Amino acid sequence: TQLLEQSPQFLSIQEGENLTVYCNSSSVFSSLQWYRQEPGEGPVLLVTVVTGGEVKKLKRLTFQFGDARKDSSLHITAAQPGDTGLYLCASRTTGGSNYKLTFGKGTLLTVNP
Amino acid sequence: ETGVTQTPRHLVMGMTNKKSLKCEQHLGHNAMYWYKQSAKKPLELMFVYSLEERVENNSVPSRFSPECPNSSHLFLHLHTLQPEDSALYLCASSQIAGLAGTDTQYFGPGTRLTVL
Repeated sequence: TQLLEQSPQFLSIQEGENLTVYCNSSSVFSSLQWYRQEPGEGPVLLVTVVTGGEVKKLKRLTFQFGDARKDSSLHITAAQPGDTGLYLCASRTTGGSNYKLTFGKGTLLTVNP
Repeated sequence: ETGVTQTPRHLVMGMTNKKSLKCEQHLGHNAMYWYKQSAKKPLELMFVYSLEERVENNSVPSRFSPECPNSSHLFLHLHTLQPEDSALYLCASSQIAGLAGTDTQYFGPGTRLTVL
């Protein structure tokens, strides 16, 4: 079973600061997804990365997929209180089930005004 | 209604009760999922239905019984639960097609279950 390690587990910052959160595994990802979950809601997909070395941008969010497809990072520039939430990475293992998505424990981000 | 809806949003039950969680997806997807989200643990996949057939059952105790009567509805029947089953139960749906692992799962808001 592939394990996804996310760090840090908790992060509390002031509005306007930059931050990076990480997702790592000892196994190769066939694909990797980042979700954000706000209190009282289910996770919402932010991005899917497939190719090693891929970089995707979504407004102030930058997602990077490692060259070896074993790690990924999410960088937020000039964080806003609306960015507060639980950031989850999820993946499927190469050669594994098409249906089984494995999640990390998440990084709980709080952006203070 | 749009997206994925779940009812009830909150449920408190005793260990001897029988209850059911309901999920409905309005997206025309062909796969539906039940997940369990506990404090300090990752989201755990419980069951997957594809085209109304159960295709994944991840060693879930028999006190949890899923049912998928059609492609839009998914139920999770609960009986004789334990306090450690208290968690947020999330339903999701997706359209499985094309490159494996790139489908988007759309989650409902979850049912917060407390077992006394």
